[in-house]
Amino acid sequence: QKEVEQNSGPLSVPEGAIASLNCTYSDRVSQSFFWYRQYSGKSPELIMSIYSNGDKEDGRFTAQLNKASQYVSLLIRDSQPSDSATYLCAVNRPGTGGFKTIFGAGTRLFVKA
Amino acid sequence: GAVVSQHPSRVICKSGTSVKIECRSLDFQATTMFWYRQFPKQSLMLMATSNEGSKATYEQGVEKDKFLINHASLTLSTLTVTSAHPEDSSFYICSASRNYNEQFFGPGTRLTVL
Repeated sequence: QKEVEQNSGPLSVPEGAIASLNCTYSDRVSQSFFWYRQYSGKSPELIMSIYSNGDKEDGRFTAQLNKASQYVSLLIRDSQPSDSATYLCAVNRPGTGGFKTIFGAGTRLFVKA
Repeated sequence: GAVVSQHPSRVICKSGTSVKIECRSLDFQATTMFWYRQFPKQSLMLMATSNEGSKATYEQGVEKDKFLINHASLTLSTLTVTSAHPEDSSFYICSASRNYNEQFFGPGTRLTVL
């Protein structure tokens, strides 16, 4: 079992719709949870971080965390073609120097105009 | 804030040569810097974690003598790929953290070994 699992997709949604991305993790000592967006050929860009159970909203993005179920999700409202990218779920757990980040394989999102 | 630069952005070298990649945190002091490698259509794989003034901690399967990491200051880390071979061709990305939690990524270096 991978430490961080995501559906590889592609997930295709029409412009203006809600895109729902999901992630599960296996290590219960995981402390912090992140969603990164990565465009092809570029490095990841942090879009959301969440540390406690519940929802966290930032603009069109909402992250949801359920530690009991070891589940993290990202909702993108009013999806735009510019949101088309690979979304990486990442989880921090204790490691050398403070923490270690484990990345999922990513979910490819296509937003159709 | 939280800007990380990486240089060069792209490098092509001959097999057997060494390549140095620089990673700088421009507007903050990084307690920890990370080096990742990403092959096409795959996710980021952590290569090593480094703290200023101490030896880097390498992930299992990463050769420390081949991938030399120097963390000279709180704003600069370098990765040297020694005796590069075509299988080392990849996208190398550094990141820097200032608070043992969030990390910010550099733009990446695409290495092609001929």
